Amino acid sequence: DGGITQSPKYLFRKEGQNVTLSCEQNLNHDAMYWYRQDPGQGLRLIYYSQIVNDFQKGDIAEGYSVSREKKESFPLTVTSAQKNPTAFYLCASNRGYLVAEAFFGQGTRLTVV
Amino acid sequence: AQTVTQSQPEMSVQEAETVTLSCTYDTSENNYYLFWYKQPPSRQMILVIRQEAYKQQNATENRFSVNFQKAAKSFSLKISDSQLGDTAMYFCAFIDSGAGSYQLTFGKGTKLSVIP
Repeated sequence: DGGITQSPKYLFRKEGQNVTLSCEQNLNHDAMYWYRQDPGQGLRLIYYSQIVNDFQKGDIAEGYSVSREKKESFPLTVTSAQKNPTAFYLCASNRGYLVAEAFFGQGTRLTVV
Repeated sequence: AQTVTQSQPEMSVQEAETVTLSCTYDTSENNYYLFWYKQPPSRQMILVIRQEAYKQQNATENRFSVNFQKAAKSFSLKISDSQLGDTAMYFCAFIDSGAGSYQLTFGKGTKLSVIP
């Protein structure tokens, strides 16, 4: 079955460490997105990519980095520069044009310990 | 910048009753799509309904319908015959072609509780 897979479901990070969240899709979608969800804040866009080897910053990109070396994969690295990384992270993909609805992964809950 | 505003952080409705969730948005583009997504306690985002800006007819999906007022930039969701399974966060979102990128923008959400 086609879909979008995020891993791990839960992730714990020590202060000062970088961690990478995985996002893989087999929907042949061109565009992929990373969102951060905090209580009362809705979904805020971190980074998005509309094509392989290209990506753009969203509204809250500071302290995060991404890569898009393959169409299927869009990993997100939360660096030590991100001062408040504890949150729920959602990855999404769509066909990259106006009409396309976004499909979401099941999310990763990141906690700093 | 594109913005989406959901003015009702929380709402509740009795089972079998009807409830309307509000959403307003701001864009300078003429061509865009609007969506309502549902996020139940499992946190999986599920598309509820979609509306094309160029269509005057309001979209309907079973018990879910929208009231799309383009001039007012308003996009409300009506849930009829509310069921316990409708308890969830509901997010309004839109996508347009501003600046050549199809960026999906979300509101902050409305937490809906269906009361037995």
